Amino acid sequence: DAGVTQSPTHLIKTRGQQVTLRCSPKSGHDTVSWYQQALGQGPQFIFQYYEEEERQRGNFPDRFSGHQFPNYSSELNVNALLLGDSALYLCASSLVASGEETQYFGPGTRLLVL
Amino acid sequence: SQQGEEDPQALSIQEGENATMNCSYKTSINNLQWYRQNSGRGLVHLILIRSNEREKHSGRLRVTHDTSKKSSSLLITASRAADTASYFCATLGSSNTGKLIFGQGTTLQVKP
Repeated sequence: DAGVTQSPTHLIKTRGQQVTLRCSPKSGHDTVSWYQQALGQGPQFIFQYYEEEERQRGNFPDRFSGHQFPNYSSELNVNALLLGDSALYLCASSLVASGEETQYFGPGTRLLVL
Repeated sequence: SQQGEEDPQALSIQEGENATMNCSYKTSINNLQWYRQNSGRGLVHLILIRSNEREKHSGRLRVTHDTSKKSSSLLITASRAADTASYFCATLGSSNTGKLIFGQGTTLQVKP
């Protein structure tokens, strides 16, 4: 049973560029959440996707956008990158339909903005 | 913003000793979850305790929850070097919208 996978594992970009991160949920899961974790901090919720719609959003600017595909995989896009966007980006999946509340996390994508 | 306050921020113990980490939160919750993170990688789910539960066990882990104090503790008994990691508590709000709010974490070092 494949767990949550994310790609790429590492990424280096320069200020002003755009980046797309990808996530495949755990088999059987229908919901994907994205989190940003700065060094030494706890993860912060960016948004959650369910049935291809943004279900909930955290306190992040519009530069952060996402998408969920019919196969439940998801992308996180960040435009006009800032130095402060350097962080570990974590994807988590869960199954809303069953009321399962546990979120299963992927290994993350480490983004460095120069 | 982060709801959870965790203490201590760092903890260093010898193998075989017990480790206790505490978490407090501010608003009403549906449940509280504990996660482990090794070396800045993905989070591993440890245990979930619901708002109306007071205690839960899983192997060497024991979680307690005091709704009146809005706090929870994670106890790791008979610690091992492999338990060295960061531990986070995360709360799911009472509206259960799927948004987990994490604390800043406790970094645990277990010396062999």
